[in-house]
Amino acid sequence: EPEVTQTPSHQVTQMGQEVILRCVPISNHLYFYWYRQILGQKVEFLVSFYNNEISEKSEIFDDQFSVERPDGSNFTLKIRSTKLEDSAMYFCASSEGLGYNEQFFGPGTRLTVL
Amino acid sequence: GNSVTQMEGPVTLSEEAFLTINCTYTATGYPSLFWYVQYPGEGLQLLLKATKADDKGSNKGFEATYRKETTSFHLEKGSVQVSDSAVYFCALRNTGANSKLTFGKGITLSVRP
Repeated sequence: EPEVTQTPSHQVTQMGQEVILRCVPISNHLYFYWYRQILGQKVEFLVSFYNNEISEKSEIFDDQFSVERPDGSNFTLKIRSTKLEDSAMYFCASSEGLGYNEQFFGPGTRLTVL
Repeated sequence: GNSVTQMEGPVTLSEEAFLTINCTYTATGYPSLFWYVQYPGEGLQLLLKATKADDKGSNKGFEATYRKETTSFHLEKGSVQVSDSAVYFCALRNTGANSKLTFGKGITLSVRP
C-alpha cells in the first residue's frame, strides 16, 4: 500500500542552524502539507502546497520557513535559523487533490533544537 | 477561527470496556469532521469521517455522529481491544476540498488485557 515517508525520523540541531526535513508523498498525489506538534500541544497546520506554489500558510509559517518540491518525488521543509521553540514533531501529508480527499500522513520527524 | 477541543487524557481501560472520547468544535460554515489514530511509530491514519450534520462515521467498530446542535463528534466503541491502544485525534476541515485540517490535542488510549 502506498505511504508517505519522512526522513530523518529524528533530527538534533543547534539553535541558529538550518535544517531540511524531507518527505516523499504518495506518487499520484497533487496536494502536499506540513503540520507540526509541539510536545503536549495540538497538531498545527503550517502550509499547503499545490502546483509548485504555496496555496495556504499559517501564522507560524514565517520567513524562517520555506517549502520546495525540488524534483518529482520529494517535498521539503526548510527552517533557515532554528529556534528552541521549533522543537516539535513535524508531519508531512499528501492528498490526491480531486474532491474531498483524505490526507495521508507520514510518521513524522522529531526535531530537537538545543 | 476554527478550533477543536478534546477531553483530557490519558485514558486507560480494560479490554472489552466501552470507550467514549469527547470532541467538540468551533467552526464557521459547515465543516467536515474526522477522527485520526496514531499507532506507535506510525503516522496519523484516518479512522472515520462525517461530512454533514447527523452523518455517522464508522470503521473498525468505532463510531462517531456529527451533532451540529451540540457541535460535537464524540468517538465511541462498544468493546475495546489491546490493539486499539493509540493516540486519537479529532479534527475538522472547513469547506474547500483540500483545505487544512484543524486538530485537537489528541488523547492517549491504553487498553489493558
